[in-house]
Amino acid sequence: EIVLTQSPATLSLSPGDRATLSCRASQSVSTYLAWYQQKPGQVPRLLIYDASNRATGIPARFSGSGSGTDFTLTISSLEPEDFAVYYCQQRSDWPPITFGQGTRLEIK
Amino acid sequence: EVHLVDSGGGLVKPGGSLRLSCAASGFIFSDYSMNWVRQAPGKGLEWVSSISSRSANIYYADSVKGRFTISRDNAKNTLYLQMSSLRAEDTAVYFCASGIKGTGIFDYWGQGTLVTVSS
Repeated sequence: EIVLTQSPATLSLSPGDRATLSCRASQSVSTYLAWYQQKPGQVPRLLIYDASNRATGIPARFSGSGSGTDFTLTISSLEPEDFAVYYCQQRSDWPPITFGQGTRLEIK
Repeated sequence: EVHLVDSGGGLVKPGGSLRLSCAASGFIFSDYSMNWVRQAPGKGLEWVSSISSRSANIYYADSVKGRFTISRDNAKNTLYLQMSSLRAEDTAVYFCASGIKGTGIFDYWGQGTLVTVSS
């Protein structure tokens, strides 16, 4: 089973800041990595798939990069609505499909 | 517009059974894989099961294998999850999710249905 480790667990930033979230895989997942955003009480939303492809309707301030075992989600300039929990997920070697434990992005 | 509506959750005793449904609209349901993902209270996301477009390929997480059965009715545009031998640790919100962008990509999600396993 591929284990995804996200860091940091919590990130405290202010609106307008740049956010950099990390996801590290226990073995290569090529570029078969996705990122999801989940706000409290809401359904997860796909942001990025296959490491760097933005999903439909996702603003350009969200970008993904990486391949192999190290991946990054970058939010170029934080908007108030971006404060949420972010999960990475791999579909390279499955079953099982696995998720990271999440990074909570909170307002500083 | 893609729309997924989850239903069937509720309170069930340990050892009991429940069937979840996910009604799909806004896309050609029979062309795409579908999935179930769950989230225990206050916890992260956990993949549960996936089924290919024509039901030829079915996969389960080890935690539910032998107890849960995923199925679909393409004529009714509906995905199912039959859950049996339920345990307290199965308590979670269960989401169906489509794989329109690719197998293993959860691009659209239902609103979720809460399953509580408790005596």
